[in-house]
Amino acid sequence: DAKTTQPTSMDCAEGRAANLPCNHSTISGNEYVYWYRQIHSQGPQYIIHGLKNNETNEMASLIITEDRKSSTLILPHATLRDTAVYYCIVRVETEGSARQLTFGSGTQLTVLP
Amino acid sequence: DAGVIQSPRHEVTEMGQEVTLRCKPISGHNSLFWYRQTMMRGLELLIYFNNNVPIDDSGMPEDRFSAKMPNASFSTLKIQPSEPRDSAVYFCASSSRLTLGNQQETQYFGPGTRLLVL
Repeated sequence: DAKTTQPTSMDCAEGRAANLPCNHSTISGNEYVYWYRQIHSQGPQYIIHGLKNNETNEMASLIITEDRKSSTLILPHATLRDTAVYYCIVRVETEGSARQLTFGSGTQLTVLP
Repeated sequence: DAGVIQSPRHEVTEMGQEVTLRCKPISGHNSLFWYRQTMMRGLELLIYFNNNVPIDDSGMPEDRFSAKMPNASFSTLKIQPSEPRDSAVYFCASSSRLTLGNQQETQYFGPGTRLLVL
């Protein structure tokens, strides 16, 4: 799985959009970009994933650059409950087989009131 | 759906004692993962199972650690004997098999077991 680089920490004002960047310059064509987050004292939680196209769900949007070497997770209206460590993970998916997630250090997002 | 269930939620034990952590995956999921989280090393995989069969146990620290999955609805992680450096939060996660046209494998994590070995 390709290596990812994320900022150690970020702050965001409550109600504003939180934009979390991730660099994955060695990503290969069959690797997906996944985002998970971990709220303090809880297990990690899936947010969103994508391959090439931008994706949106009820939690967030994922913007992947055309060359796929970087991506941005967008929380459109951050709330205090979005304060968490956000992990960007790049991995190959193999049909029929599950594989582990390799977590880096992630970005500590703090949403300020 | 109750989600992934782990027990106990907290465990305090003395060095040398046996510790058994338990996990019940989400019904219908056929993959189960054990992760450990510490401040120093972050989140790291210990072992995972597909269809109750261990696939990769390269993350298991040493022979003191063992994991079993006797059936699709239950797994244990055992530490014997326990040591202070085993103090960590242990997470269990489960996921379902990827199928053609569904290239997504979402792992669902339990609340974790916080282990303190004195």
